[in-house]
Amino acid sequence: QQPVQSPQAVILREGEDAVINCSSSKALYSVHWYRQKHGEAPVFLMILLKGGEQKGHDKISASFNEKKQQSSLYLTASQLSYSGTYFCGTGGKTSYDKVIFGPGTSLSVIP
Amino acid sequence: DGGITQSPKYLFRKEGQNVTLSCEQNLNHDAMYWYRQDPGQGLRLIYYSQIVNDFQKGDIAEGYSVSREKKESFPLTVTSAQKNPTAFYLCASSIDARGLRYGYTFGSGTRLTVV
Repeated sequence: QQPVQSPQAVILREGEDAVINCSSSKALYSVHWYRQKHGEAPVFLMILLKGGEQKGHDKISASFNEKKQQSSLYLTASQLSYSGTYFCGTGGKTSYDKVIFGPGTSLSVIP
Repeated sequence: DGGITQSPKYLFRKEGQNVTLSCEQNLNHDAMYWYRQDPGQGLRLIYYSQIVNDFQKGDIAEGYSVSREKKESFPLTVTSAQKNPTAFYLCASSIDARGLRYGYTFGSGTRLTVV
């Protein structure tokens, strides 16, 4: 089952913060986050494993709530370069559980 | 520099033709994947391979075929049986089966259009 991402799209002014959510109906073992600019390859941001951890990557961080089967990506003090589509990918526990990607959240940062 | 190379960048196919999309990686990754991307639908898995000479169907394998004769190469053939092949195709690889250590590395994609 494809994870659900919210919001579908968001527009920010430079310096504002945003949160993108990813939730699944299945038990999660891992959550990946990627950013894709138009016409380009998705770029890996981070991966979180079960355990409720939080990770940081410059001004982009994420949390993983195993009980709620969801992850959130936090973008603080957004920059123009943050524009793009953000995808989460969710994975199960075994090697047969392929990573399934959500539909994406379009983020536009304007001056 | 290590990475994934997809070719061609743009491809046009006539109705009834088979076409092959190339994917080569020099990252020494074991696992490789093919995804199809349509607007608003995210990435859907076509085929994946965790080891040479072995591959499995993904969620939308009908009308596609792959081979994995070398670790570095994972070509995708879009056959005439694929009724709606116009899409952006992405190849990816990972060092381990689920990308748990460093995630997936993606190629820059091939945009296929049926004419």
